[in-house]
Amino acid sequence: GAGVSQTPSNKVTEKGKYVELRCDPISGHTALYWYRQSLGQGPEFLIYFQGTGAADDSGLPNDRFFAVRPEGSVSTLKIQRTERGDSAVYLCASSPTSGQGAGEQYFGPGTRLTVT
Amino acid sequence: GNSVTQMEGPVTLSEEAFLTINCTYTATGYPSLFWYVQYPGEGLQLLLKATKADDKGSNKGFEATYRKETTSFHLEKGSVQVSDSAVYFCARLSSSYDKVIFGPGTSLSVIP
Repeated sequence: GAGVSQTPSNKVTEKGKYVELRCDPISGHTALYWYRQSLGQGPEFLIYFQGTGAADDSGLPNDRFFAVRPEGSVSTLKIQRTERGDSAVYLCASSPTSGQGAGEQYFGPGTRLTVT
Repeated sequence: GNSVTQMEGPVTLSEEAFLTINCTYTATGYPSLFWYVQYPGEGLQLLLKATKADDKGSNKGFEATYRKETTSFHLEKGSVQVSDSAVYFCARLSSSYDKVIFGPGTSLSVIP
């Protein structure tokens, strides 16, 4: 009964570099979410996948951020030309359903991204 | 707007004290409401939920009642333990059912 896993757990990169963050959801969960959590704040929504498609990407801060889920399971969040303000913990969550059941989300441990 | 507000921390209590963490929300309609908890070094996990007005969610001795009149979902526990030390997030489901909107979190420390 594996939970949501995320890799890497920590990533340190230099300003301007490209990074990829991976999320492996709970098997069978059709909905997958990415959030970003800055220190002392609650998670902020980035993007939501239902199956392979991005159903809502309204939380992505700008076009440097992109996410894919090509086979409806694993998802990758990609950040181009990283900036120091991108430093945060990136959380992935999955849910077995959408709709009213969508709030019962199962979170991974997060990837702590530090841009130097 | 669509937001969740909760009392600022940090909150420090002695073991066996009564806990209340206030939470209010703004939304169109009556969204599902949640309390998530983040223990030190661990990921976020759902503590309890309520899906409609007057519902009471409960788990691990914690309770919260969905009050539509006051748009509130306050978290309570009658007797806290040291192991309850964590950050607690109030949250609601978005009106489009596609994301959870979190409050800023309230840090709780329980001392022996």
